[in-house]
Amino acid sequence: GQQLNQSPQSMFIQEGEDVSMNCTSSSIFNTWLWYKQDPGEGPVLLIALYKAGELTSNGRLTAQFGITRKDSFLNISASIPSDVGIYFCAGRVSGGSYIPTFGRGTSLIVHP
Amino acid sequence: DGGITQSPKYLFRKEGQNVTLSCEQNLNHDAMYWYRQDPGQGLRLIYYSQIVNDFQKGDIAEGYSVSREKKESFPLTVTSAQKNPTAFYLCASKRDYSANEQFFGPGTRLTVL
Repeated sequence: GQQLNQSPQSMFIQEGEDVSMNCTSSSIFNTWLWYKQDPGEGPVLLIALYKAGELTSNGRLTAQFGITRKDSFLNISASIPSDVGIYFCAGRVSGGSYIPTFGRGTSLIVHP
Repeated sequence: DGGITQSPKYLFRKEGQNVTLSCEQNLNHDAMYWYRQDPGQGLRLIYYSQIVNDFQKGDIAEGYSVSREKKESFPLTVTSAQKNPTAFYLCASKRDYSANEQFFGPGTRLTVL
């Protein structure tokens, strides 16, 4: 089956720092999705990417769909304490069941 | 407010008992999904339903069962055959099976004692 490697597994940063995380796949995806999960809650969609090379922002968050279609990146600028949570990437191919494959998540802790 | 509700938030059961987790959505979505989340793991698909009265096994269906008798409801039963049932369970839905965005419920944490 498809494999998604998400890194880093966890990050401990100071408030105000920028954050970068990425996902790489063994196969090509048509769609990349980035979710955030607050502690004890369900994930919420942050950004969706549909085209190779696409760069999309949502406030302080910026995500990119890699040119090879096998990777994606999420950057958070000027982190704040409420950025704490687990960030998941998910990749999806068109056709079939249309079910995304999720990465294992990046746990982010922001120290004030 | 439209959304997905899962109840209860926390559930405790004795080993050997079956337990049913509730998932209800008022988004008028066709497709619904159950995921299991363990610490340090991604979301693993248990079962999914693309339309009412139909459902399919996901990657880790053994020891679980579902039904989809109503569009808005997709309950998950964790049976005694599930060897390691303690986990965080997430329900999700999509407008239809080809839509991009999944909307997740708040989750149910099941602890089997």
